[in-house]
Amino acid sequence: EIVLTQSPATLSLSPGERATLSCRASQSVSSYLAWYQQKPGQAPRLLIYDASNRATGIPARFSGSGSGTDFTLTISSLEPEDFAVYYCQQRSNWPGTFGQGTRLEIK
Amino acid sequence: EVQLVETGGGLIQPGGSLRLSCAASGFTVSSNYMSWVRQAPGKGLEWVSVIYSGGSTYYADSVKGRFTISRDNSKNTLYLQMNSLRAEDTAVYYCARARSPANWRYMDVWGKGTTVTVSS
Repeated sequence: EIVLTQSPATLSLSPGERATLSCRASQSVSSYLAWYQQKPGQAPRLLIYDASNRATGIPARFSGSGSGTDFTLTISSLEPEDFAVYYCQQRSNWPGTFGQGTRLEIK
Repeated sequence: EVQLVETGGGLIQPGGSLRLSCAASGFTVSSNYMSWVRQAPGKGLEWVSVIYSGGSTYYADSVKGRFTISRDNSKNTLYLQMNSLRAEDTAVYYCARARSPANWRYMDVWGKGTTVTVSS
């Protein structure tokens, strides 16, 4: 099973700042990686799929990059509603696994 | 509006059974790949099961042989029958729609979830 390790566990930033979240896979997942956002008490929301494709309705400030084992989710300028937990997920290898999450909190 | 609404969660003793339902609106369950994903308290996400539009079903090793995914096309509803429940099955259970058959693990529509607590 492929293990996804997200870093940092918690990221403290202010609105307007740039956020960079990392996801590292224990073996190559090619470009088969997605990012989700989850707010307290809510379901996850698909942001990015196949490493760099924004899902429907996702603002352009969210972007994804990477391939192989190293991936990045970048939020170019944080809005108040962006503070949440972010998960990466791979679909390269059965059964498809999620990372443990990065909590993005207001500084 | 595209929507999923889960029901059926609750408190159940170890070894017991529970059936979760997920009613869909705005799209047809049988035309899509549909999954159940769970989240233990304070933990991350874990994929549980998928049913393809053609009817094939697959399970995570942690639930294989105990859980059964199914659907009722006439009710446009997805189900998860959970038997032989264990404490480690305690979680919020979400149903979710695959973004596309080609990459069904990516889920673009989610319900709000239903909570299952397995405890004596």
